[in-house]
Amino acid sequence: EVQLVQSGAEVRKPGESLKISCKGSGHSFTSYWIAWVRQMPGKGLEWMGVIYPIDSDTRYSPSFQGQVTISVDKSISTAFLQWSSLKASDSATYYCARRRKENDYYYMDVWGNGTTVTVSS
Amino acid sequence: SSELTQDPAVSVALGQTVRITCQGDSLRNNYANWYQQRPGQAPLLLIYGKNRRPSGIPDRFSGSSSGNTASLTVTGAQTEDEADYYCSFWDIRGNLLTFGGGTKLTVL
Repeated sequence: EVQLVQSGAEVRKPGESLKISCKGSGHSFTSYWIAWVRQMPGKGLEWMGVIYPIDSDTRYSPSFQGQVTISVDKSISTAFLQWSSLKASDSATYYCARRRKENDYYYMDVWGNGTTVTVSS
Repeated sequence: SSELTQDPAVSVALGQTVRITCQGDSLRNNYANWYQQRPGQAPLLLIYGKNRRPSGIPDRFSGSSSGNTASLTVTGAQTEDEADYYCSFWDIRGNLLTFGGGTKLTVL
């Protein structure tokens, strides 16, 4: 079974750093780009960026460029999302998802279970 | 503009048909993907490309496109279809993904 398993919920204080993970299994992890999506409480989905595990080629949404860092360790089939200095507004659930390409279109067919991040003093 | 606009909420009687729409200039001559998100769950891919459904998605879900509007149709809505629905579109190079604001579907 193809799965993306994300790390557990985190609680941090403003200004702290954080790195959450997304581990793939059941498929060739390096064959697909991995995307990150934010969902703030009671709000919609927001695309943050996408990374290619083979060479770590990364594309960021303009809204998140410079705010987060997306990385990958292909040796352990795991993608990461990290913050160097969290803000209260980073409180949200974060999803990773596998991106596929078929003909001329892209889609995300497998999603992780989500990691809830709470930032509060 | 890369924005995608969805109605915030739509309702349908049990067993009836409902159409959820997604408007945006980027959809002209392109296809949207559709995701379902039930409360407390991760999004689930419903429709991708030209009305393609992943394995396991009921055929009561279908997608279409006309002009700058993509539509998700639920034919014979069931109680379990009550959820949020999001359209999305990747640019041609896969460098930018836009989500619609989401539509909350209520099954009466």
